[in-house]
Amino acid sequence: AQKVTQAQTEISVVEKEDVTLDCVYETRDTTYYLFWYKQPPSGELVFLIRRNSFDEQNEISGRYSWNFQKSTSSFNFTITASQVVDSAVYFCALRNAGGTSYGKLTFGQGTILTVHP
Amino acid sequence: DAGVIQSPRHEVTEMGQEVTLRCKPISGHNSLFWYRQTMMRGLELLIYFNNNVPIDDSGMPEDRFSAKMPNASFSTLKIQPSEPRDSAVYFCASSLGGLAWEQYFGPGTRLTVT
Repeated sequence: AQKVTQAQTEISVVEKEDVTLDCVYETRDTTYYLFWYKQPPSGELVFLIRRNSFDEQNEISGRYSWNFQKSTSSFNFTITASQVVDSAVYFCALRNAGGTSYGKLTFGQGTILTVHP
Repeated sequence: DAGVIQSPRHEVTEMGQEVTLRCKPISGHNSLFWYRQTMMRGLELLIYFNNNVPIDDSGMPEDRFSAKMPNASFSTLKIQPSEPRDSAVYFCASSLGGLAWEQYFGPGTRLTVT
């Protein structure tokens, strides 16, 4: 079975603070894919990043960065110098390449991020 | 480029009525997914299609739910008869073929069953 845990239910920061959203996953597969999605107050789900299990390179995109560590089964997301527009629910997700969960995208419960001015 | 299109955006219906949700995936995408989002259960995959063929419908809650994909550019999710516990936001998503590709979500349909 596969599972994604986002232990932080809610995070509140003040603008310009850095914030890290944690994601821990469980899977028996050796090949899998990890994703982060953003759900702003308007409700749509916006794709942010995809990471393959065989590529542990960290990635930076503007103020966003992702730290993938297979040894701890974690795929954490950091926003540097947060802004009010970053306020949203952020979901981490896992997709296996085989087994009974073939192809299924499993989402974590989400972390509600509120950035105060 | 147009994203995933869903209609209607909001639907309010009475218990027992039939509800049909519609989705047009991104052109060229050959995988389509239906999800349901509620506060209690979060995001749940209901069913997904690859090349118009249902691959996994294990998430469909019960026989009252059915989904079809008659062609590459259209899918429907039908609930008959609807019940108040079906109230949720229903998302459609599409992706290029293959597991590595990210899914792009539509704006969702907010369903309220009274």
